[in-house]
Formats: sequence, structure tokens, C-alpha cells
Amino acid sequence: QQPVQSPQAVILREGEDAVINCSSSKALYSVHWYRQKHGEAPIFLMILLKGGEQKGHDKISASFNEKKQQSSLYLTASQLSYSGTYFCGTEGSGTYKYIFGTGTRLKVLA
Amino acid sequence: DTGVSQDPRHKITKRGQNVTFRCDPISEHNRLYWYRQTLGQGPEFLTYFQNEAQLEKSRLLSDRFSAERPKGSFSTLEIQRTEQGDSAMYLCASSLAGGFHNEQFFGPGTRLTVL
Repeated sequence: QQPVQSPQAVILREGEDAVINCSSSKALYSVHWYRQKHGEAPIFLMILLKGGEQKGHDKISASFNEKKQQSSLYLTASQLSYSGTYFCGTEGSGTYKYIFGTGTRLKVLA
Repeated sequence: DTGVSQDPRHKITKRGQNVTFRCDPISEHNRLYWYRQTLGQGPEFLTYFQNEAQLEKSRLLSDRFSAERPKGSFSTLEIQRTEQGDSAMYLCASSLAGGFHNEQFFGPGTRLTVL
């Protein structure tokens, strides 16, 4: 079943923060986050493994709570380049099949 | 350029025709995935290969769809008797198996339009 992301869409001003959530009904082995700009292929942001680890990449970080089967992506001090659609990709135990989430459209305004 | 490449980038066909798409993954990547994406939706898993073996195929995929990766390098996705509902972007991605890192690198996609 497809992971559900929230919010579906968000509009920010440059410098503002945002949180995108990804929730799955199935046990997860890992969570991946991707950003896709209109007309382009998805670009990998980061991967989180079970264990509740949190990772950071510049001003983008994420957490993964395997007990709750949830992950959150944190965007701080957003930049215009952050605009796009964000997808979480989940991978269950025993399979390398990816299921992508419902997506969150993010627009950063100057 | 050593990224994932796909050919063709665009394909327009008439309903009922067969189409074939090609994907060339990053050379050392042994996993290859096919996805379908429609406007506003996330990529939908179709199938994946580890080397030449097709390990999993979506139950949503009808018998009209077939994929091959004969020598564990490039892959082809064929759609027979195309229908208008097949119109979508078909994305290929590759990754390096082993360990915990399964970062997927996506190709630019093939946009299929069925008239």
C-alpha cells in the first residue's frame, strides 16, 4: 500500500521552514527521500535505515521512526531551489521493491 | 555522461501498436528498476532486476507488459497492444546492490502518448 504524505502541498517564503511527513501501514526497512522538479527525473536526497536515525544534508534533514512506520523531512531556511515535489520511497524487509509516497508539492516564493 | 540513459525520450503511438523502450543503467549498477509515472503522482513500481534476473513484478502489470535484461546491462520494456491508459512517463532507475545503500539514480524517462 502506498505511503501517505502530508501535507499534500505547501507554499513558503524564502527562509521559512517546512516539515513533510511520510506514513506507511507496513513495516519498513528503510525510507528514501527524493525531490522531483517539473519535467525532470526524481533526485535522491537521503536514505534512512531503521533504528530511528536522523540524517542531515545541508539544511535538509530527516528522521525515521520505525515503530511508528513514519519518516519526516525537515527543510530549514528554505531556498528557491527547494521548490518541487517531494516523495518518500519505502522499502520493506526482504524485498528491494520500492513504493513511492503520494507526494508533497512545495513552492518557495521570493 | 555516465548517468542512466533512456531511449526514446518521447514516443507517440496509435492504440493497438507495440512499443519498446530501452534503458542503459550506470555501468557498475546491478539493480535496475522500471516505474510508470502519471501527472501529479509518484512513480509507480513496475518491476526490477538484479543482474539479468527479474526478481519482482508488480501485480498491477498486465500481461501486455514485459521487461528483459538479457545480459545484466541494458534493459528493455515492451508494451503490446497499447491502450490510451498506458500514456505516462516511464522511468528507469539503477542502483548498486549490497550493503544498506540502495540510492536509485533515475534516467530522464520516456514519455509515451497513446492516441
